[in-house]
Amino acid sequence: EVQLVESGGGLVQPGGSLRLSCVVSGFTFTTYWMHWVRQVPGEGPVWVSRINTDGSSTSYAESVKGRFTVSRDNAKNTLYLQMNSLRAEDTAVYYCARINLGTYDYWGQGSLVTVSS
Amino acid sequence: EIVMTQSPLSSSVTLGQPASISCRSSQSLVHSDGNTYLSWLHQRPGQPPRVLIYKISNRFSGVPDRFSGSGAGTDFTLKISRVEAEDVGLYYCMQGTRLYTFGQGTKLEIK
Repeated sequence: EVQLVESGGGLVQPGGSLRLSCVVSGFTFTTYWMHWVRQVPGEGPVWVSRINTDGSSTSYAESVKGRFTVSRDNAKNTLYLQMNSLRAEDTAVYYCARINLGTYDYWGQGSLVTVSS
Repeated sequence: EIVMTQSPLSSSVTLGQPASISCRSSQSLVHSDGNTYLSWLHQRPGQPPRVLIYKISNRFSGVPDRFSGSGAGTDFTLKISRVEAEDVGLYYCMQGTRLYTFGQGTKLEIK
C-alpha cells in the first residue's frame, strides 16, 4: 500500500522557519519525482515545488522562490521542505504528492502550517 | 502561467441523475511529447484530493466507470453518468503540461 506521511507543521511567527518531512512507503521512492502542493482552506490547491529522482534538479513557484528549499533523502525514503522567512500568506495545508502520468496519483494527508504572531 | 477556469462553480444534482463539469485552459495543453496532461481530482472535506481521470479520459485505478472525461486542446469535460451520495465534494481540473495549475473547483451537492 502506497503511503505518504507528512510531519513538521505547526504555528510559527512571521519571519520564522519550519521544516516539513514526508516519509513514503509502498513504492520505489527513487524512481519518482516528488512535489509539494499547498492549499489554503476554501481555495484550490497550488503547486509549490518539485524535485527529481536523485535530488539534482528542483523547481519552485515564484511565490516561494528563494525562501523554500526542497530536498530528499532516498536512503530514508523521505522528502523535505525547508521553509524560511515565512509570511502570513504561506498559511496553508501542505501536501507531499507523487507525480505520475502528469498528475498527482498519491497524496499525503496534509500538514497545517500557520504563520501568525 | 496556464490559467484553468471551471464551470459551474457549484452544482446541485438529484441522486441518479447525470452531472457535468467544464474546464477551459488559457493555452493548449498538448505537450511536446504528444500527450495532453489534463486530469480531474475529487476532494472531500478534511481529505487530500484524489485523482479520478488522467490524460483527459483515462480512469485511475479503482475509479467507478460512471466517471468519464473528454475534450481536447483547451476545452475539457468531466461527466458523472449517475450521481451517487459519495460523489459530493469539490472537483478540480488540473494541468501538468507546463508546470502545474488547478482550476478553482466545482462544488457538487445532492439536491
